[in-house]
Formats: sequence, C-alpha cells, structure tokens
Amino acid sequence: QVQLVESGGGVVQPGRSLTLSCAASGFTFRSYAMHWVRQAPGKGLEWVAVISYDGSNKNYADSVKGRFTISRDNSKNTLYLQMSSLRAEDTAIYYCARDVFLFSGRYSYFDYWGHGTLVTVSS
Amino acid sequence: QSVVTQPPSASGTPGQRVTISCSGNSSNIGSNTVNWYRQLPGTAPQLLIYSDSQRPSGVPDRFSGSKSGTSASLAISGLQSEDEADYYCAAWDDSLNGRVVFGGGTKLTVL
Repeated sequence: QVQLVESGGGVVQPGRSLTLSCAASGFTFRSYAMHWVRQAPGKGLEWVAVISYDGSNKNYADSVKGRFTISRDNSKNTLYLQMSSLRAEDTAIYYCARDVFLFSGRYSYFDYWGHGTLVTVSS
Repeated sequence: QSVVTQPPSASGTPGQRVTISCSGNSSNIGSNTVNWYRQLPGTAPQLLIYSDSQRPSGVPDRFSGSKSGTSASLAISGLQSEDEADYYCAAWDDSLNGRVVFGGGTKLTVL
C-alpha cells in the first residue's frame, strides 16, 4: 500500500535551517510529481512547493520562494524540503502529498498524503 | 487571505443535505479542475472529490461535486455525525508559473 512518511521536523530558531524528508513506499516513486503542503496551527492548508517526477520542474509559493528548496532522490524514494532563513510564520505541520501525474498541472490532484511533521520556529 | 474563497463554517442536522461553496477566478477554478479534500480532526487531509465531480473509490455517493464558471460546490446528502470535519477546495492556478491554491477551508458541524 502507498505510504508517505515525513520526518525531520522539530524546534528551530528563527533564521536557522532545517531539512524535511518524505520517505515513499508502495508505489513507483519516480513516476509521480510530489508536493509539500503545510498547515499552521489552527489554520488552513497552504501549498508550499512541487517537483516533477524527474526533478526537472520545480515551483514554489511566494511565501517560501528563495528560502525553501524542494528536491528528490528517486534512487532512495525520498522527497526533501530544505528550509532556510526560517521565520515564526513558517511554524506548521508539513505534509508531503503525491500528485497523480508526472508533472503537476491543471488536472492535478493529491491522491495520497503523509501524516505530516511539525516544524516550530521559535527562539 | 486565499484567492479561493470558502465560507468558514457550515452546519446541518443528521440526514440533511449541506452544500459548501468555493469561489475563485479565471486563473484557477475558471480554467482548471477543482478538487475537494476532507480533514478529520487531528488527521491528514484525504482526497474526497477530484476533477470537479469524480469520487475516488471508497467515497460514498452521498458526496458530490459540481462546477460552474469560476465557482464550485461540494454537496453532502444524508449528513452523518462522522462528516464533521474541515473541507477544502483546491485548484491549479495558472498565474506565477503555475501553483496550487487552496480555499480557506470550511468547518462542517453536524448539530
């Protein structure tokens, strides 16, 4: 069965960096685009970033562009999110989610989600 | 605030039919398909409706989606207590090299 397991969350000081991982299993990871979506405490869902099946296409929300980097290692079936210059407003549960297509686009949707990892940015 | 708008709350009694609206613009809902996700308390979101009106296997036919122009709706008939959750619409947005936009979410309360 499809499984997405996020890890790497924790408490980090403002301005510091953190890298999240999402380990995928139960499907052919290299055949799907992948996303990160976050949810601040008590708030709604916010899309963060997307990467195509082969890593050739990436895009980011304005709120994280220039600070976060999405990447993937298809040999390890793992998705990453490198977060730098962290701010208090980055505090959230971070979910990885599978797109149904190779490249994300107008017909895309997320058919599987991980359980999330909590990132707290605080001094 | 999100470019896609949902009412923050909705409610109904068991057995009733409830609808949740989702309003966007020509860059998102007006030109791309709408998807709905349900988030039960303390859990990760789950796909509920995709491609405007399609149900994944396992989702009861009590749940239905529709779209017209730049707006979409989720309807839940035969409301049950376990339907109490947060519901989010989402769509691809063609602006800024493409991105996904979520509605702000609607908290459904079963009275």
